[in-house]
Amino acid sequence: EAGVTQFPSHSVIEKGQTVTLRCDPISGHDNLYWYRRVMGKEIKFLLHFVKESKQDESGMPNNRFLAERTGGTYSTLKVQPAELEDSGVYFCASSHRGGLAGDANEQFFGPGTRLTVL
Amino acid sequence: DQQVKQNSPSLSVQEGRISILNCDYTNSMFDYFLWYKKYPAEGPTFLISISSIKDKNEDGRFTVFLNKSAKHLSLHIVPSQPGDSAVYFCAASGNGDMRFGAGTRLTVKP
Repeated sequence: EAGVTQFPSHSVIEKGQTVTLRCDPISGHDNLYWYRRVMGKEIKFLLHFVKESKQDESGMPNNRFLAERTGGTYSTLKVQPAELEDSGVYFCASSHRGGLAGDANEQFFGPGTRLTVL
Repeated sequence: DQQVKQNSPSLSVQEGRISILNCDYTNSMFDYFLWYKKYPAEGPTFLISISSIKDKNEDGRFTVFLNKSAKHLSLHIVPSQPGDSAVYFCAASGNGDMRFGAGTRLTVKP
């Protein structure tokens, strides 16, 4: 079974440019999550999709970030325009079940996209 | 507001000894706790978890302890092996969504 995949693995862009990250979750996983890790700090939650709907987007830093999951399959995360502080590793994760307190809510992570904004 | 904290950014132990990684949380609504292991250039992978109704869960060389009153959990690895060298993230879940700590880099020396 294929795991979570992310594209690209690395992206280097200049401040003000646009970048779109893609995540393909494990087939059949309704829950998809985006996280970001900046410079050795915590893995910070960005948002959570259940199928195509945004369940929780409380972690999105500002309106320069736009996440979509049309059709409830793959997801994209667009940063427009990118700023220096957006640099970091963006992880995507998926899970079969979510929103159930105390459940075995294991999330499977992709390898991440390392974004560098110059 | 960092709800999950790993105060030790790094830990170094000798092969064969015990590794103890610590984690503290602030949100009393968390009821499920996980440890993830991360190698360079890879995403985190699930290692072990514990529900809030338990205080200990063991899986081979890995044991997680939970102290709910102190809002503290720890991961014990015994005996530690060089292949255990990685960054370990503590995570807490209260309603499906997870919050992570900053990670502890474990180095196991041969």
